[in-house]
Amino acid sequence: DQQVKQNSPSLSVQEGRISILNCDYTNSMFDYFLWYKKYPAEGPTFLISISSIKDKNEDGRFTVFLNKSAKHLSLHIVPSQPGDSAVYFCAASAQGWGKLQFGAGTQVVVTP
Amino acid sequence: GAVVSQHPSRVICKSGTSVKIECRSLDFQATTMFWYRQFPKQSLMLMATSNEGSKATYEQGVEKDKFLINHASLTLSTLTVTSAHPEDSSFYICSVPSLLGQGASYTFGSGTRLTVV
Repeated sequence: DQQVKQNSPSLSVQEGRISILNCDYTNSMFDYFLWYKKYPAEGPTFLISISSIKDKNEDGRFTVFLNKSAKHLSLHIVPSQPGDSAVYFCAASAQGWGKLQFGAGTQVVVTP
Repeated sequence: GAVVSQHPSRVICKSGTSVKIECRSLDFQATTMFWYRQFPKQSLMLMATSNEGSKATYEQGVEKDKFLINHASLTLSTLTVTSAHPEDSSFYICSVPSLLGQGASYTFGSGTRLTVV
């Protein structure tokens, strides 16, 4: 049973524009959410996280929004750069350092 | 977050042999580590939680006798794929949770590409 869902397998965006990645979850016990960037044959690299007590967290070009009532979060990347081309994973955990559950990932391609 | 080292990065083995993958937390004493598996173009699937000094906790559907986990110290967890078969070929990644500010940080190793021939 997939508790974290990323329904868009791919996203193509022009350089300089905004990339919006979406993630939905079903487990109401999740209280901590993270976004990771991953290249093939490498481990995921942490981008940004958000606790369930917040609805927004910003770090440079990356902003994560959390809508608890809808069990939905999104990652905004602005402006998008060619180096942002990668697979982005949404992940969630319950109770602090609990095990992470991952979504299926979204392949982002930023075109010049 | 923690600094994590995973070895080997790539291994090819024959069917029926065993392969050991190491995950080291270089600057953080990790009582818990996580092991994931990723099939091509798919998500990271949690296999098990490695617990220092006690038995690992396996996720449903993961064979504990096939995937042996040992967490002998606060800096080292190992995953041994026993009697490997071609269907065990996959990308294996470890993760170390630690504190980052007021939230948890999960640092991942660089992964191990296992090919069983």
